Amino acid sequence: IQMTQSPSSLSASVGDRVTITCRASLAIRSDLGWYQQKSGKAPILLIYGASILQSGVPSRFSGSGSGTNFTLTINSLQPEDFATYYCLQDYNYPRTFGPGTKVEVK
Amino acid sequence: QVQLQESGPGLVKPSETLSLTCTVSGGSISTYYWTWIRQVPGKGLEWIGFIYYSGTTNYNPSLKSRVTMSVDTSKNQFSLNLTSVTAADTAMYYCARRVNIALHETLDYWGQGILVTVSS
Repeated sequence: IQMTQSPSSLSASVGDRVTITCRASLAIRSDLGWYQQKSGKAPILLIYGASILQSGVPSRFSGSGSGTNFTLTINSLQPEDFATYYCLQDYNYPRTFGPGTKVEVK
Repeated sequence: QVQLQESGPGLVKPSETLSLTCTVSGGSISTYYWTWIRQVPGKGLEWIGFIYYSGTTNYNPSLKSRVTMSVDTSKNQFSLNLTSVTAADTAMYYCARRVNIALHETLDYWGQGILVTVSS
């Protein structure tokens, strides 16, 4: 399964609402997770099952979608949210990541 | 608090075998799936495969002919071997714990990663 993300990068300001899209090359139900990776660090899980917030993750993060189209939304972007975001499908093997979306400071 | 730590050589010669170990602390390796993921510097994430504590494996077909994973429950460790490496295998290698929650898969704990460079 091929995963695509858009945009590949975006510039935003603190307080902005940010939306990232992930598309799968075939329907994957809601078998999708979102991960945040900061420079030089390992990714961390934000959302699984397309819309379920991982414990401890701030509620400004939310996910939606099913089938082939998914979105990650960050409401009121915070300074610590500038990072790269990846989607990961867990519908079938091999698991595949999207290419990432880098959220940069405007 | 579960912690994962990758270890192994940071430099491997072309055509040789890359061998990494992930040590799990703060929890048992049993009853979980354990995953390897890599990231070429400046690039995206690539799923290498997983090993279940019982030894069941699943590898990415793109690497399957060169990958072997193993687990040592007595040491709370699992390992990755990648044979016949080339410069294209230069990457940060991460180990991660896979947990199924409500029929959904998550990678909830990750190691800090280890950079492996393939060079003579």
